[in-house]
Amino acid sequence: NAGVTQTPKFQVLKTGQSMTLQCAQDMNHEYMSWYRQDPGMGLRLIHYSVGAGITDQGEVPNGYNVSRSTTEDFPLRLLSAAPSQTSVYFCASSYVPADYEQYFGPGTRLTVT
Amino acid sequence: SQQGEEDPQALSIQEGENATMNCSYKTSINNLQWYRQNSGRGLVHLILIRSNEREKHSGRLRVTLDTSKKSSSLLITASRAADTASYFCATDGSGTYKYIFGTGTRLKVLA
Repeated sequence: NAGVTQTPKFQVLKTGQSMTLQCAQDMNHEYMSWYRQDPGMGLRLIHYSVGAGITDQGEVPNGYNVSRSTTEDFPLRLLSAAPSQTSVYFCASSYVPADYEQYFGPGTRLTVT
Repeated sequence: SQQGEEDPQALSIQEGENATMNCSYKTSINNLQWYRQNSGRGLVHLILIRSNEREKHSGRLRVTLDTSKKSSSLLITASRAADTASYFCATDGSGTYKYIFGTGTRLKVLA
């Protein structure tokens, strides 16, 4: 099993550009989520999904879009990048209900100039 | 912000000593989890404790939970240099799937 994979590993964007961060898992997990981690802080939940076709907002959803058309994939779209979105982004997945451990991807380091 | 707080923010100990870190949270929970993050990498799950449990052990790890005080502690016994990492607690938002992570404790174990 590859576990949770994320691409790209690094990305530099200019303000106003859009892009999609990719996340895929091969463990047949229903739950998938996106977090951002800023220096010296813990992870903050952006969006999550409890199954294909079902998504919901987390703590910091503004400026981001998600969709879940398959169990395996959960892409995160930045609509119009801003410097405040410079961060490390982590994707995670788990079984439901919410008493299972989350498996994390290696992260995408995004810089917006 | 709903983020939990962890203390200390940083901890430096000698190999072989015990390390204790604490987590406080704000909302009710079904369970609380602890994760480790090595520098610049993804998080790795360590242990999960349910709201009706008070203590749980896993190898050199011991976790306690006090739901009346909304707090948890993680004890790592006989620490090793390989335990050097950041440690985060995470709560499940009382089964809402809206996980809330603490701000983390940076542990450095000196050989």
